[in-house]
Amino acid sequence: QSALTQPASVSGSPGQSITISCTGSSSDVGTYNYVSWYQHRPGKAPQLMIYEVSNRPSGVSNRFSGSKSGNTASLTISGLQGEDEADYYCSSYSHSSTPVVFGGGSKVTVL
Amino acid sequence: QVQLQESGPGLVKPSQTLSLTCTVSGGSISSDDYYWSWIRQSPGKGLEWIGYIYYTGSTHYNPSLKSRLTISVDTSKSQFSLRLRSVTAADTAVYYCASEIRDAAATFDCWGQGTLVTVSS
Repeated sequence: QSALTQPASVSGSPGQSITISCTGSSSDVGTYNYVSWYQHRPGKAPQLMIYEVSNRPSGVSNRFSGSKSGNTASLTISGLQGEDEADYYCSSYSHSSTPVVFGGGSKVTVL
Repeated sequence: QVQLQESGPGLVKPSQTLSLTCTVSGGSISSDDYYWSWIRQSPGKGLEWIGYIYYTGSTHYNPSLKSRLTISVDTSKSQFSLRLRSVTAADTAVYYCASEIRDAAATFDCWGQGTLVTVSS
């Protein structure tokens, strides 16, 4: 069982916006602004999409945005496109037994 | 842009040692900016942080693996390695190497493609 909780699947039609949640605790998401999001397509290396809650690395589309409220972080994909189909994982710094915790992943399907 | 590539056996027998190497290219493994990390994903499960090494050799391990785990670095070859002893079927996973930004905890900006390691007799 992953330390951070994500919905197993999220879907939307092309052009729509979807939001993926990542729920942790006061040991991680709730206390630290070190939340990251990764896109993982089969057979490819995971790609960093958002770091420090809401920052986008250079080269990442501005259709991807991140936010946080309390113990829950969120990734929003706006203007959904077919190429956005992938698994998405969140991670957070934690002051528990391990310094890094991950979510279980959310499969995004474009209908 | 840094690139990472894992290498090592895809099949390991139970009770033996799993050994993997990650080769860093396009950047310096001796950079002050990164921790060199291992992460794995067991079939049907989420990602699990294994541990990291800094180029100086300092390490930080997942407590659940610490008694069986060694991560080392060879700066002359631009490589870092993982050794996991006494493996069981529960260690079957895709193993990734990644670079964690030191100033942005839990931020992995580059990943290898991953290598599947199966523990089976």
